[in-house]
Amino acid sequence: DSGVTQTPKHLITATGQRVTLRCSPRSGDLSVYWYQQSLDQGLQFLIHYYNGEERAKGNILERFSAQQFPDLHSELNLSSLELGDSALYFCASSVGRTSKDTQYFGPGTRLTVL
Amino acid sequence: AQTVTQSQPEMSVQEAETVTLSCTYDTSESDYYLFWYKQPPSRQMILVIRQEAYKQQNATENRFSVNFQKAAKSFSLKISDSQLGDAAMYFCAYPAPLETSGSRLTFGEGTQLTVNP
Repeated sequence: DSGVTQTPKHLITATGQRVTLRCSPRSGDLSVYWYQQSLDQGLQFLIHYYNGEERAKGNILERFSAQQFPDLHSELNLSSLELGDSALYFCASSVGRTSKDTQYFGPGTRLTVL
Repeated sequence: AQTVTQSQPEMSVQEAETVTLSCTYDTSESDYYLFWYKQPPSRQMILVIRQEAYKQQNATENRFSVNFQKAAKSFSLKISDSQLGDAAMYFCAYPAPLETSGSRLTFGEGTQLTVNP
């Protein structure tokens, strides 16, 4: 158990809908990262937050947004869902914000868009 | 741009034997870390081992060790005394520093390891 929690574990929804994925980092960690793992794209970085501030953005779609709250938990919002958004979404956390900080992953949220 | 390449999509090993998974990467940085993560059928991403580029000594974690060749930009993972529970997808990862003072992991394509009894 990495100490990173993600809810829900599974999510099934329809095209055009909006969903929110939640992540709680390990105790003491200030950084939260979001990654998407799909069959054809592999593991892709979406976004990085440190202590409430956005620090880095990957190829995150405009339909996707995220935020990190004062209690350091983070939410990833996916809207106008398409079939291609079906994937495993991981949250990871680390103590600091640099490339030398080890990222620990949560169990993931499996999103299925029908 | 930083890239990570795993040239072995699949590997298999007999239980109790040793197997080496390959990874090469590209970076212009001189001080960095490298990671191996495993993803078993549960799909959880589990940290296996990490290596700091400035350390001469190869990292070791129990039955897992790395062969880090900085000049060749090679970072292979050796699993000794393979166990059935080692069966998983293994990802090599490089954490790229970003100008925004953030970071992101760049992953290789993964190597699916099968352990045969």
